[in-house]
Amino acid sequence: EIVLTQSPGTLALSPGERATLSCRASQSVSGSNLAWYQQKPGQAPRLLIFGASSRATGIPDRFSGSGSGTDFTLTISRLEPEDFAVYYCQHYGSSPWTFGQGTKVEIK
Amino acid sequence: EVQLVESGGGLVQPGGSLRLSCVVSGFTFSANYMSWVRQAPGKGLEWVAKINQDESEKDYVDSVKGRFTISRDNAKNSLFLQMNSLRAEDAALYYCVRGGSFFPQWGQGTLVTVSS
Repeated sequence: EIVLTQSPGTLALSPGERATLSCRASQSVSGSNLAWYQQKPGQAPRLLIFGASSRATGIPDRFSGSGSGTDFTLTISRLEPEDFAVYYCQHYGSSPWTFGQGTKVEIK
Repeated sequence: EVQLVESGGGLVQPGGSLRLSCVVSGFTFSANYMSWVRQAPGKGLEWVAKINQDESEKDYVDSVKGRFTISRDNAKNSLFLQMNSLRAEDAALYYCVRGGSFFPQWGQGTLVTVSS
């Protein structure tokens, strides 16, 4: 099983700042099969990125994903008020699919 | 509009059973892999099971193998999760999700509580 470790656990930033979230895999994720989700309190997760760098439908271009192998990054170029939430990475390279433990982006 | 509506959650004693259902609209259900993902209260996300379009491929996380069964009824646009021998650690919000790899659409979830 691939274990995904996200860092930092919490990121305190101000609106307009850049957010950089990390997701590290315990072994290489085949085919860059990695996704990112955003979850707000009381809501279901929302797909942001798939294939490590492809934005899902309707996702603003301030969200970008990069990486391959064992190291992946989600970048939010300029934080908007609605971006403060918990973010999860998920691999789908080899069963079982697993999620990281999440990074909370909170208002500083 | 895509909708995934789960039902069937509730309070069950350890060792008991529940059957979750999910009715889908807004996309061609029969053409899509479907999955279940769960989230324990205040915790992260865990993929539970997936099923392909004609039920010929099913896969589960190890912790539920032999206890949970995923199935579907394409004529009724419905996805199911039969959960037997429930344990305390199965307590969670169970999401019905579109997809078998990454998950572009999610329901709002149905809550399963396991307690005596």
